[in-house]
Amino acid sequence: AQSVTQLDSQVPVFEEAPVELRCNYSSSVSVYLFWYVQYPNQGLQLLLKYLSGSTLVESINGFEAEFNKSQTSFHLRKPSVHISDTAEYFCALGTSYGKLTFGQGTILTVHP
Amino acid sequence: DTGVSQDPRHKITKRGQNVTFRCDPISEHNRLYWYRQTLGQGPEFLTYFQNEAQLEKSRLLSDRFSAERPKGSFSTLEIQRTEQGDSAMYLCASSRRERNEQFFGPGTRLTVL
Repeated sequence: AQSVTQLDSQVPVFEEAPVELRCNYSSSVSVYLFWYVQYPNQGLQLLLKYLSGSTLVESINGFEAEFNKSQTSFHLRKPSVHISDTAEYFCALGTSYGKLTFGQGTILTVHP
Repeated sequence: DTGVSQDPRHKITKRGQNVTFRCDPISEHNRLYWYRQTLGQGPEFLTYFQNEAQLEKSRLLSDRFSAERPKGSFSTLEIQRTEQGDSAMYLCASSRRERNEQFFGPGTRLTVL
């Protein structure tokens, strides 16, 4: 069985500060990992993905995540956040069957 | 917009009534997924199709739930004899291949009174 744990349900941070949203997973098979973002009143959008290759993956808006197999983690980081980054972030694990297993979500709130 | 679309966006129904939701995936995607999301939780997998074949159903999908994808295009999710516990956001997603990222629709919010 697969599972995903997001260690923080809420993360408040001030604008321009760095942030890390933590994600740990459990799986007995090879996995693919994703971060999705859900802005208020909007649908889920893919932020970044790890399928294979380089363990450090980046998004177009400055987020990055590192796949760490030994730690079974896929933490999301951004060196300097903006007000517009306020949203709920979901870590998700995929397998060769395609279905995704999601974490419980982390609400990131960026304060001015 | 050529993304995943869902209809209706909101549905309010009384307990015991039947409801049906529709999902139109991205046209070239052969995989279609249904998820359910309740307040404060991440989406939970319900079922998925590859073309018209339903390949897996979660144990969350009771006998009151049925999903179809005729001709491998749009999909419908029907809930019979709705219960208050069915109140949730129902999400549809599609992907080109099993490893590729899934693109989500805006969801259908169901409220059962």
